[in-house]
Amino acid sequence: GQNIDQPTEMTATEGAIVQINCTYQTSGFNGLFWYQQHAGEAPTFLSYNVLDGLEEKGRFSSFLSRSKGYSYLLLKELQMKDSASYLCAVRMKTSYDKVIFGPGTSLSVIP
Amino acid sequence: NAGVTQTPKFRILKIGQSMTLQCAQDMNHNYMYWYRQDPGMGLKLIYYSVGAGITDKGEVPNGYNVSRSTTEDFPLRLELAAPSQTSVYFCASSYLTGNQPQHFGDGTRLSIL
Repeated sequence: GQNIDQPTEMTATEGAIVQINCTYQTSGFNGLFWYQQHAGEAPTFLSYNVLDGLEEKGRFSSFLSRSKGYSYLLLKELQMKDSASYLCAVRMKTSYDKVIFGPGTSLSVIP
Repeated sequence: NAGVTQTPKFRILKIGQSMTLQCAQDMNHNYMYWYRQDPGMGLKLIYYSVGAGITDKGEVPNGYNVSRSTTEDFPLRLELAAPSQTSVYFCASSYLTGNQPQHFGDGTRLSIL
């Protein structure tokens, strides 16, 4: 079977740091993506991890622990425009690679 | 560069009607995917394709059909539309492997009444 879990909602203050967690149980793990989705729009790519460790990209960082089935997205220096849903997605290596999404975390940034 | 193009953007169907959602990409991507997204939820994989002539079921394939006769096009067919199929449908494409992310279309907002 497969299961991807994220917190439903989070609230953080402008200028602060927030960590969004993702846990997964899947067969044939072959990488983990984070996407950002603003209301009424399509998802856009933020980061990709396939090896354990931290990937940093500007204000956004993503961490992966394959042994624990765990990832997090770290957003620094929060801005109002960061209010969006953040989607964790796992690439599963089955007969063909396929990408399954978690339920998403809705982040609200407040002044 | 158009990327992934979905048509139509909006559609209202009556229960029992059929329709085809169109998806085309011009990036020569091998992989193409169809997802549905219900309000406040994540994306659920309906079907995907790894190349022309090859398709496979995702998490929620019932009530849908797909075909992939060319690299560029991946239409999604709804037969006998039901209210439970009211959703936003996203098409995406990507290269075969590695860190290549999915590129998404703008979505089709479908209501079944």
